[in-house]
Amino acid sequence: AQSVTQLGSHVSVSEGALVLLRCNYSSSVPPYLFWYVQYPNQGLQLLLKYTSAATLVKGINGFEAEFKKSETSFHLTKPSAHMSDAAEYFCAVSDNDGGANNLFFGTGTRLTVIP
Amino acid sequence: SAVISQKPSRDICQRGTSLTIQCQVDSQVTMMFWYRQQPGQSLTLIATANQGSEATYESGFVIDKFPISRPNLTFSTLTVSNMSPEDSSIYLCSGLRGLGETQYFGPGTRLLVL
Repeated sequence: AQSVTQLGSHVSVSEGALVLLRCNYSSSVPPYLFWYVQYPNQGLQLLLKYTSAATLVKGINGFEAEFKKSETSFHLTKPSAHMSDAAEYFCAVSDNDGGANNLFFGTGTRLTVIP
Repeated sequence: SAVISQKPSRDICQRGTSLTIQCQVDSQVTMMFWYRQQPGQSLTLIATANQGSEATYESGFVIDKFPISRPNLTFSTLTVSNMSPEDSSIYLCSGLRGLGETQYFGPGTRLLVL
């Protein structure tokens, strides 16, 4: 069975501050891990994904995430928040790198950026 | 990438009625999926829409309640039948070109059942 837990349903940061969104996973097989972002009234957009290559994954818009097997974590970070980063972020886990059929999502974290 | 649109974007419905949600992809995709996101909860997979055959439903979801069509490689519909307030959710469709590819999602349909 696979699942993800996102700690903090709401996170607020000041513009220019570090963004840290937490995700812990549970998987009985080597996981594939994803971060999606959803801007208001838009579809989910893939930010980045971990597929067992490099443990530090760089995505779009300056985001990156580090896979830590010992901590079963895949936290999302960005060094400096921008107003345009305000959105809802979803962590997801799958047992294949396309996420076909069995993409399990966390409950999401809403990021607010304070000017 | 693939661009996915959904209609309607939102609706308010009376209990006992049915609503059909349309999902259109701008290019052919191998697989299409329907998800539900209930308030404060994760996205949950309802079913895989199969072209030309019956959809494959996940545990807890049945065809009588959520009939799905997929007449071609770019279009699918999900019907929420005999609605009750518990069906109030966001319904999202997604498409996948093939294994190893990324799932692309539509913007979702926000449904409120009174």
